[in-house]
Amino acid sequence: SQQGEEDPQALSIQEGENATMNCSYKTSINNLQWYRQNSGRGLVHLILIRSNEREKHSGRLRVTLDTSKKSSSLLITASRAADTASYFCATDDIKAAGNKLTFGGGTRVLVKP
Amino acid sequence: GAGVSQSPSNKVTEKGKDVELRCDPISGHTALYWYRQSLGQGLEFLIYFQGNSAPDKSGLPSDRFSAERTGGSVSTLTIQRTQQEDSAVYLCASSLDRGSGYTFGSGTRLTVV
Repeated sequence: SQQGEEDPQALSIQEGENATMNCSYKTSINNLQWYRQNSGRGLVHLILIRSNEREKHSGRLRVTLDTSKKSSSLLITASRAADTASYFCATDDIKAAGNKLTFGGGTRVLVKP
Repeated sequence: GAGVSQSPSNKVTEKGKDVELRCDPISGHTALYWYRQSLGQGLEFLIYFQGNSAPDKSGLPSDRFSAERTGGSVSTLTIQRTQQEDSAVYLCASSLDRGSGYTFGSGTRLTVV
């Protein structure tokens, strides 16, 4: 079953604009991670935010986490055509074995030049 | 190795045949995970290894699916008597420890005809 639900499912923006996508989840977590996938193959780890953190930055990426609302957002600033990809949130459930992650359905982002 | 290696990258098989998918994780990564992804969908968890043991195999869809890991390194996912609904991209990932992001392989695209 998928824990994370991403919103929107698809997003189309112009190069230079910001892209924001949201993730909601249902359980208590150790951390939440965001991944990017190009062309339906391997995913690339972007950023990890722990349950005791509220905001984290990495380059043009900004992630927020609100554990009271069980939600997270990923902001990509000054988007580029190369940012076109699917973005997935994944949660490390406190009750899950090891480092098992549960992935959401993803947000497909299209950045038009 | 430098990354997670999966083979083959593509496999077309006839319904009813058995297939073996291979994953070679990053050296030193004790945790290994198998997921599958149907077209346009999120990732579905299959099984997780810590060393050579599988603490969580709850995602295996049926007893036609099995996986093993030897020497704390290479893992094989075997699907017996393949069905058309087994068609998907099978993704392998490894991680160093809890709280680390995953490194994914490029996946094996399985098509059952």
